[in-house]
Amino acid sequence: SQTIHQWPATLVQPVGSPLSLECTVEGTSNPNLYWYRQAAGRGLQLLFYSVGIGQISSEVPQNLSASRPQDRQFILSSKKLLLSDSGFYLCAWRLLGQLTEAFFGQGTRLTVV
Amino acid sequence: AQSVTQLDSHVSVSEGTPVLLRCNYSSSYSPSLFWYVQHPNKGLQLLLKYTSAATLVKGINGFEAEFKKSETSFHLTKPSAHMSDAAEYFCVTRDVRGGKLIFGQGTELSVKP
Repeated sequence: SQTIHQWPATLVQPVGSPLSLECTVEGTSNPNLYWYRQAAGRGLQLLFYSVGIGQISSEVPQNLSASRPQDRQFILSSKKLLLSDSGFYLCAWRLLGQLTEAFFGQGTRLTVV
Repeated sequence: AQSVTQLDSHVSVSEGTPVLLRCNYSSSYSPSLFWYVQHPNKGLQLLLKYTSAATLVKGINGFEAEFKKSETSFHLTKPSAHMSDAAEYFCVTRDVRGGKLIFGQGTELSVKP
């Protein structure tokens, strides 16, 4: 069966520090991978998605970047965090196909102080 | 362009009474529609999905949704609310061009004893 792992679950980082959040998927191949951010009291905002190794699409200009060094690994990074980067970050995967749903990781609560 | 609108940001019901969470979609194509649930500080879990095989879709935990093309709606219902149903619910569609998921703003469901 397929599983998705996202870590860490919570993170408190000072302004200006770097960030690295990791997401891995097991039990499937060539998934589409997604990073979402959920700010307090708001819906989900798509940050990045990837359809293959090294292929990253950015949805909104921001202080973050993403990389996909391996087929089932998706990393969200920042060189210098801002206060506005605080939020709940969710990784997700889905297979190609019109009717396929997305499966989400448990999320990372990032607080920038 | 596809979109979904969740008509209520917050719904409050008493335990044992019916639940209705409203969602309207906008699409030029036959849409793919999903309902997800998110408990606090957790990832999103799929409740059900519309695959065009049947207009009444049954999901987990007693939830169901009915696809009504004439009303462009995909409302989520449950006959009897349980305390454990208190969570955030998202209506989601899929961008047919790129496969990205498009989220509604979410509806927070409160269940009173």
